[in-house]
Amino acid sequence: DAGITQSPRYKITETGRQVTLMCHQTWSHSYMFWYRQDLGHGLRLIYYSAAADITDKGEVPDGYVVSRSKTENFPLTLESATRSQTSVYFCASSGLAGVTGELFFGEGSRLTVL
Amino acid sequence: KQEVTQIPAALSVPEGENLVLNCSFTDSAIYNLQWFRQDPGKGLTSLLLIQSSQREQTSGRLNASLDKSSGRSTLYIAASQPGDSATYLCAVDRRDDKIIFGKGTRLHILP
Repeated sequence: DAGITQSPRYKITETGRQVTLMCHQTWSHSYMFWYRQDLGHGLRLIYYSAAADITDKGEVPDGYVVSRSKTENFPLTLESATRSQTSVYFCASSGLAGVTGELFFGEGSRLTVL
Repeated sequence: KQEVTQIPAALSVPEGENLVLNCSFTDSAIYNLQWFRQDPGKGLTSLLLIQSSQREQTSGRLNASLDKSSGRSTLYIAASQPGDSATYLCAVDRRDDKIIFGKGTRLHILP
């Protein structure tokens, strides 16, 4: 099906473990984004990518790693999870031909770090 | 640094009323502005996208306006319905590929 999908939708992990959240889009959008949403802070940009093999930091990149070897995938890795990374993570995509436009969101991945 | 502010944080209005949600941003050098709706436990759904060269966009009962010079956008909802209850967020594309969000206005339509 066309769209943007995130997996897993729910994840519980322990402090210090590595976690990878997956994001896949079928529109061939140039841009992909990772946001976290927390009460009181709203949506904050973690990392974004303008194209395959091009990534850049957002507002809150510390503790996260991204890669984009293929246009359609943009995984987010927490190398050593901390309790402060408990959040809802949203992946989004936008834009054809390298121009941003309407932003489309996945359903979110709810991560709990114990 | 671009900051996006939405006031009020929460709003309750009786069904059938027209209402306006506000969004302000500090840097007028934007590429576009979008309004989104988010239902509890769900992702965000794009409602309207206004390019920097446009003044407004309309979709059904929704009308969004953009005044870059004053750093403001409004989302007008006509004849509100209980199904309009959700959180509404605006987001600004800053031309540097970073799209920054306001914290949203939580709207409750009273039946």
